[in-house]
Order: sequence, then structure tokens, then C-alpha cells
Amino acid sequence: QVQLVESGGGVVQPGRSLRLSCAASGFRFSDYAMYWVRQAPGKGLEWVAVISYDGGYEFYTDSVKGRFTISRDNSMNSLFLQMNSLRTVDTAIYYCARDGVLNGLDIWGQGTRVTVSS
Amino acid sequence: QSVLTQPPSASGTPGQRVTISCSGSSSNIDFNTVSWYQQLPGTAPKLLIYGHNQRPSGVPDRFSGTVSGTSASLAISGLQSDDEADYYCAAWDDSLNGPVFGGGTKLTVL
Repeated sequence: QVQLVESGGGVVQPGRSLRLSCAASGFRFSDYAMYWVRQAPGKGLEWVAVISYDGGYEFYTDSVKGRFTISRDNSMNSLFLQMNSLRTVDTAIYYCARDGVLNGLDIWGQGTRVTVSS
Repeated sequence: QSVLTQPPSASGTPGQRVTISCSGSSSNIDFNTVSWYQQLPGTAPKLLIYGHNQRPSGVPDRFSGTVSGTSASLAISGLQSDDEADYYCAAWDDSLNGPVFGGGTKLTVL
């Protein structure tokens, strides 16, 4: 069964760090670029970061550049998002998603909730 | 303010055909493929359309996508109560080096 399962969310104070993980199963993880997409409460979808199939390139949305780092371990079929210097505006559900054909994100995890609050 | 512009809401009655628009620019829709996502309440988004007008396996042919210049549209025919959800368009943006999403359209089935 093709599946993505996120973990690592929680409540954290502003300025602190959190590391999200996404475990992939049911497909050859190393063949696909992967994304983190977030959704603030009551808001729409926002792309956070993307990493190529081999980790050779990464891109970030402007609001997280220099604070967040996307990475992957193809031997462990895992995707990560290291989030530093967290801000209240980073509060959201964070989804990992697979980049399928023609940039369609065809597989999504169930999401992990991150709340940044003092 | 989203890079791709969608109407915040749309509605229709069962059996009706509805369309949702998505307006972009030359850095996204004009030269890159458009995808559409359906998000039912409390769930993760689901891919409905990719590559402008392709449907993943399992998506009914009631859903169709079209693109013209810098605009895209999602059409849903034979509207059903289960179609009540939020719908998002997306496309790669060459100037941002990443995908951009529309603000989402909340579809209500009356």
C-alpha cells in the first residue's frame, strides 16, 4: 500500500526548533521528488519546501528560507523537515507529499500539526 | 494574497455542472502544467487533475480540467453531495522556483 506517514508535530514556543519526519512505504521512494506543504488554521495550502529524488536540489518558499531545512534518507525511505527559529505564523498542519507525474502531488500523508505558541 | 486567484466560493445543485476558475500569470500557468486538488473537511488534499487535464486512476470522469493562456478551469459535471469540498489549483512558478497554490474554492452542493 502506497503510504506517507508524518510525525514529529507538537506545541513549541516561538524561537524553538522542531523536526518533522515522513515515512514512505509501498513505492520506490528514491525515484521521487518530495514536498512539504502546510495549511494554517482555516487557510489554504502553502508550499514549504521541495527536494529532488536524490537530494541534489532543494527549494524553499521565501518565508522559511534560512530557518527550515528539507532533507531525505533514501536508505530509510524517509523525508525530514528541520524547523528552526519557529514563529507563531508557522502554526499549521504540515503534509508531506510525493511529486508524481507532471508535478501533480499524487500521494499525501495525513499531516502533522505544529503549534507555535508561548 | 495567493499567486493563483480562485473564487472563494461556488455552488450548485445535484446533477448540475459547475466550473471553478484559476487565474495565474506567464511565470506559472502559461508555461507549466496545472493540477487540481480536492480537500474534504478534516482530510488531506487529494489529487484530482494533473498535467492540465489528466485524471489519476480512480478519479471519475465527471472531473475535467482545461487551460487557456494564463487561466485554468476545473469542471465538475453531475454534481453530487460528496463533491462538497475545498478545491485548489496549483502550478509550478518559474520565478519562485516552487509550486504555487490558489487560495481555494469552497464548493457547496445545495
